[in-house]
Amino acid sequence: EVQLVESGGGLVKPGGSLRLSCAGSGFTFSNAWMNWVRQAPEKGLEWVGRIKSKANGGTTDYAAPVKGRFTISRDDSKNTAYLQMNSLKTEDTAMYYCTTGWYLDYWGQGILVTVSS
Amino acid sequence: EIVLTQSPATLSLSPGERATLSCGASQSLSSSYLAWYQHKAGQAPRLLIYGASSRATGIPDRFSGSGSGTDFTLTISRLEPEDFAVYFCLQYGTSPLTFGGGTKVEIK
Repeated sequence: EVQLVESGGGLVKPGGSLRLSCAGSGFTFSNAWMNWVRQAPEKGLEWVGRIKSKANGGTTDYAAPVKGRFTISRDDSKNTAYLQMNSLKTEDTAMYYCTTGWYLDYWGQGILVTVSS
Repeated sequence: EIVLTQSPATLSLSPGERATLSCGASQSLSSSYLAWYQHKAGQAPRLLIYGASSRATGIPDRFSGSGSGTDFTLTISRLEPEDFAVYFCLQYGTSPLTFGGGTKVEIK
């Protein structure tokens, strides 16, 4: 059974940093493209970015609102993907989900990030 | 970026009825790289359809997807009580990936 478990969320002040982790199991993590998606309160889903598998170059893509502030990385030896969030803004407050694959086939339960003074 | 517009925003139906949800793209989607998800409050979104019309593993056959180019449809042939939720479409053929705004299917 595929499982994705996010951790590292919480309350942070504007301008601060936070690193989210996503631990995967039940699939070959090293072959998977890993994405982050968020949902702000009372809003729809927003794709944050992704990291491709090393076999596909291990490259990253980001949505415009987070480009230059957020960095996605992976450690295949730990079956874990990361989302490093810097220069956080109040509008980054959201539930953050990690998801697998090209078309986001499996999702974690999500982790809440609140950016507030 | 490709903008996806879902309609209607809310669909009020009774169990047993047919639901038809639309997703329109601002430009033609390459190779129908469109997916549909079901999202219930407090739960992770669930993939229903990918490639515009292929059902994901374990999805009941009352869910079907169709369309190509810029116009796509998710049909739920007969609504079950567990189907009342929010539904999102996603285009994954072009980065950045983009979601539609969602359609809430509520009990009438």
